[in-house]
Amino acid sequence: SAVISQKPSRDICQRGTSLTIQCQVDSQVTMMFWYRQQPGQSLTLIATANQGSEATYESGFVIDKFPISRPNLTFSTLTVSNMSPEDSSIYLCSLGTGGSGYTFGSGTRLTVV
Amino acid sequence: EDKVVQSPLSLVVHEGDTVTLNCSYEVTNFRSLLWYKQEKKAPTFLFMLTSSGIEKKSGRLSSILDKKELSSILNITATQTGDSAIYLCASSEGAQKLVFGQGTRLTINP
Repeated sequence: SAVISQKPSRDICQRGTSLTIQCQVDSQVTMMFWYRQQPGQSLTLIATANQGSEATYESGFVIDKFPISRPNLTFSTLTVSNMSPEDSSIYLCSLGTGGSGYTFGSGTRLTVV
Repeated sequence: EDKVVQSPLSLVVHEGDTVTLNCSYEVTNFRSLLWYKQEKKAPTFLFMLTSSGIEKKSGRLSSILDKKELSSILNITATQTGDSAIYLCASSEGAQKLVFGQGTRLTINP
């Protein structure tokens, strides 16, 4: 199954700033997904990223706050913009890989102070 | 709206006990039901179930899907302290995105 390298592993950021999270896959994949896990909560899908098209955002998430890039079939970034303490979460990228399950990146633990 | 519900939300047992975790789903264009174990940040894949009534096993863990009841269970026998984690159930739908349940926090006491 595909392997995802996600960076950074963790970061502590000042409110009002932005953080870009990167996911690199060791093979070409059509669809990548970005999830958020707020403290004590389960995972919630932010958006689906297809190469060559605009990301599709779930209800409650907007492009201005969470811009996503997907320049090729092995790479994607998620930016958390104008951060507030409510953005403190674990952010995870994922791809659907059929029978071997939906592989996740190692996650980014973001703390906004 | 697609929904996945897990129960119990929290469970504390002694080492050696057997536990059963429950998951029910209401998902349009259902494709599969997945179980994950989360200890730190990234969920670790356990099982993917697509067919009803066929048990999947991996060591002390097993899982089965009931499409008629729109539910699944995850069994862990002879539990060990290393089984302590959050267990997540998720359903995939036509667009391949996952809808997650709230998770069950399992604590195994020695």
